[in-house]
Amino acid sequence: GAGVSQSPSNKVTEKGKDVELRCDPISGHTALYWYRQSLGQGLEFLIYFQGNSAPDKSGLPSDRFSAERTGGSVSTLTIQRTQQEDSAVYLCASSLKGGGGVADTQYFGPGTRLTVL
Amino acid sequence: AQKVTQAQTEISVVEKEDVTLDCVYETRDTTYYLFWYKQPPSGELVFLIRRNSFDEQNEISGRYSWNFQKSTSSFNFTITASQVVDSAVYFCALSERNSGGYQKVTFGTGTKLQVIP
Repeated sequence: GAGVSQSPSNKVTEKGKDVELRCDPISGHTALYWYRQSLGQGLEFLIYFQGNSAPDKSGLPSDRFSAERTGGSVSTLTIQRTQQEDSAVYLCASSLKGGGGVADTQYFGPGTRLTVL
Repeated sequence: AQKVTQAQTEISVVEKEDVTLDCVYETRDTTYYLFWYKQPPSGELVFLIRRNSFDEQNEISGRYSWNFQKSTSSFNFTITASQVVDSAVYFCALSERNSGGYQKVTFGTGTKLQVIP
């Protein structure tokens, strides 16, 4: 079946503008994760969804960052008033069960490369 | 405190050489899972292996092998007879249950492997 998809693949924006990044998880996967990967760095956890609720938002770096998930499927990560330090690749992953499922394997999308000028 | 340590930032080997990527983790849980992912230049993280904390058997898959040792909290990854297509960043990850009871995956900072023809 189809894997995790993300759009857009690339986004260039001006400082101060808002951006929306979209993630379509694997069908049937109840858990969804957002990560950020800065150039040459590891993965920084942002937020985790179980169904439509977000039990773990601990990784969101500031209140300019928010995310929602509707219908237990598609998720949107919104960054308001973008700053240059927001430039990174934003990765989305999904897994079958998530919460409590320590054994779950996360499957990743191709990422959205965000550049803030 | 860093929970997954990949001390090797970059490794270069000549094609056909064997190479081992180190991963050391830290957890207080008795039930946890360890993962390796490959991130080729295209950017998408590809799942390679999952290993649970109760299974210390080494695993071999083609040219790939993994050595899990609880006594040293290590989960090392060896590529035998390396090929140019193995050039990528490799991430080790630890999955455990967080204080809220949900799965929390912590990634290492990655090891960039360059295989020179």
